[in-house]
Amino acid sequence: GENVEQHPSTLSVQEGDSAVIKCTYSDSASNYFPWYKQELGKGPQLIIDIRSNVGEKKDQRIAVTLNKTAKHFSLHITETQPEDSAVYFCAASRPQGGSEKLVFGKGTKLTVNP
Amino acid sequence: GAVVSQHPSRVICKSGTSVKIECRSLDFQATTMFWYRQFPKQSLMLMATSNEGSKATYEQGVEKDKFLINHASLTLSTLTVTSAHPEDSSFYICSARGLGRVSYNEQFFGPGTRLTVL
Repeated sequence: GENVEQHPSTLSVQEGDSAVIKCTYSDSASNYFPWYKQELGKGPQLIIDIRSNVGEKKDQRIAVTLNKTAKHFSLHITETQPEDSAVYFCAASRPQGGSEKLVFGKGTKLTVNP
Repeated sequence: GAVVSQHPSRVICKSGTSVKIECRSLDFQATTMFWYRQFPKQSLMLMATSNEGSKATYEQGVEKDKFLINHASLTLSTLTVTSAHPEDSSFYICSARGLGRVSYNEQFFGPGTRLTVL
């Protein structure tokens, strides 16, 4: 089955710097790659996603890149702010005839220092 | 985005009792709902997938007789933890995927339910 590795497990940056979180996946059939932000005591919130027919997607300060050949995808946050501090999870899923399930990475705790 | 609610947000119960958690999609029809469990500082672990009107599909190692899932309508799924024990204490999160306003394959998560079993 699918296996998603996520690095780093913790990341500390200064406000205004960029943050990059990387994930690799094992199943070449996976075609959907979302990123979630989870604040303490809350459910995950979808912040951006990318599908396998696209190499890059951007939404304001957040961007995701996908390298299908290498089977890895990355989250880029520019101009980080203290409110970006949270745990970020990457995930991957493959077509399964309506039963698509997400396989999550172990998460990255991002701390943005003022 | 699509909104998913959960109730209750927190519950404390005695060992041996049963607890029901509700998950609702508020502004879209959820053809599929997922239930996850998350232990402190860990990732989300999928427990089961439920499609409206059919039996849930449980992941390996999840006891279906202990975690009863009902997806009776396109906007409501329930998870009942039966005969709860302290080791069932966890953060339970549902997600929903459906048609209409949401794109196929996207899952939208509820706020989670913190279960504490004494």
